[in-house]
Amino acid sequence: GAGVSQSPRYKVAKRGQDVALRCDPISGHVSLFWYQQALGQGPEFLTYFQNEAQLDKSGLPSDRFFAERPEGSVSTLKIQRTQQEDSAVYLCASSPHERAGGASDTQYFGPGTRLTVL
Amino acid sequence: AQSVTQLDSHVSVSEGTPVLLRCNYSSSYSPSLFWYVQHPNKGLQLLLKYTSAATLVKGINGFEAEFKKSETSFHLTKPSAHMSDAAEYFCVVSVNYGGSQGNLIFGKGTKLSVKP
Repeated sequence: GAGVSQSPRYKVAKRGQDVALRCDPISGHVSLFWYQQALGQGPEFLTYFQNEAQLDKSGLPSDRFFAERPEGSVSTLKIQRTQQEDSAVYLCASSPHERAGGASDTQYFGPGTRLTVL
Repeated sequence: AQSVTQLDSHVSVSEGTPVLLRCNYSSSYSPSLFWYVQHPNKGLQLLLKYTSAATLVKGINGFEAEFKKSETSFHLTKPSAHMSDAAEYFCVVSVNYGGSQGNLIFGKGTKLSVKP
């Protein structure tokens, strides 16, 4: 079956531009996560959705970062007024169950969007 | 707080020789531990996970890992490396208490190179 997909795969933005990154999770998955992976580092948690509800945004680095999942399926991560330090790979993952009840749940990752801010 | 430490940033082996990628964890509670692999320009793929059942966990592509509570380790091994194993490997712990339960905490990664 189809896995998690993300678009665009690559995005180049000039400093100060706004960008929008899209994630299509596996159909029917309740949980959706966004991670940021800087060059040479492991992914770091940004935010979590349970269906359409954003239950955890503790990892968002600034108020320039905004995420939504209005119908409980597709999610968009928006970054306003991009800065060079925002350059990273942004990963989306989904899992079948609610996060709290599934600490051992497998998260299924998309291929990521590589954002380069010039 | 929970964390994982991958002891080697880069491991190089010859094809057909054993692979050992080391990981130590820190957790106040019984942890859920994972190994993920990331091939260039591809998504993270789950190799295996430990969830307090058997301490020796078998995964895909011949990989396995052993949970050792006394050593707080979860090392990844494979008896014989293949060229296709060359990739970045991440040891991961899942937060298992509190408001962030279920979030994944990644190590910094170990890049595995396989020489012909």
